[in-house]
Amino acid sequence: KAGVTQTPRYLIKTRGQQVTLSCSPISGHRSVSWYQQTPGQGLQFLFEYFSETQRNKGNFPGRFSGRQFSNSRSEMNVSTLELGDSALYLCASSYTGTGSYEQYFGPGTRLTVT
Amino acid sequence: GENVEQHPSTLSVQEGDSAVIKCTYSDSASNYFPWYKQELGKGPQLIIDIRSNVGEKKDQRIAVTLNKTAKHFSLHITETQPEDSAVYFCAAAYYGGATNKLIFGTGTLLAVQP
Repeated sequence: KAGVTQTPRYLIKTRGQQVTLSCSPISGHRSVSWYQQTPGQGLQFLFEYFSETQRNKGNFPGRFSGRQFSNSRSEMNVSTLELGDSALYLCASSYTGTGSYEQYFGPGTRLTVT
Repeated sequence: GENVEQHPSTLSVQEGDSAVIKCTYSDSASNYFPWYKQELGKGPQLIIDIRSNVGEKKDQRIAVTLNKTAKHFSLHITETQPEDSAVYFCAAAYYGGATNKLIFGTGTLLAVQP
């Protein structure tokens, strides 16, 4: 079974621009969560989508948004980029069936804001 | 708020020795505790997890223990090998509600010296 895929793997943007990152979950998984990883703040939860609905959101400004499509693929968008948005953005997929708790991460998208 | 503390931040061991990483969580409602291994340039890889109804779980050279009363859980790696060198993250979550949010520790850089 193919793992979680994220595109693009690397991205360089200028302050003030916007960016869209994509995540394809493991086949059959219906939940996609997004995390931001930085050296200073570690791994922080951004939001989670399940069946095209946002179920939970972390403490990030409204510039960070996401969506999920009917095939469970998800995108996250960051508008008006700031230097501090430079990070590794990870998505994780999970099945969320009865008794299924495991989350599997993709390789991440490395975003650099200049 | 929700918090997971992880110690030590760095750990250096000789090949063949054991390594222990400890975590403490704050939310007493947490009932799921996964451990992830992250190698350079890759996303976190789930290596073992434990649920709150179990005190210990083992998978070959790795084991996890959970003390719900003290809100502590630990990762034990025996007979360490150079390929065990990576950053290890503990996490805690509450499963039972409508969310898949993981709260991560700050990570432990494990170096196994050959």
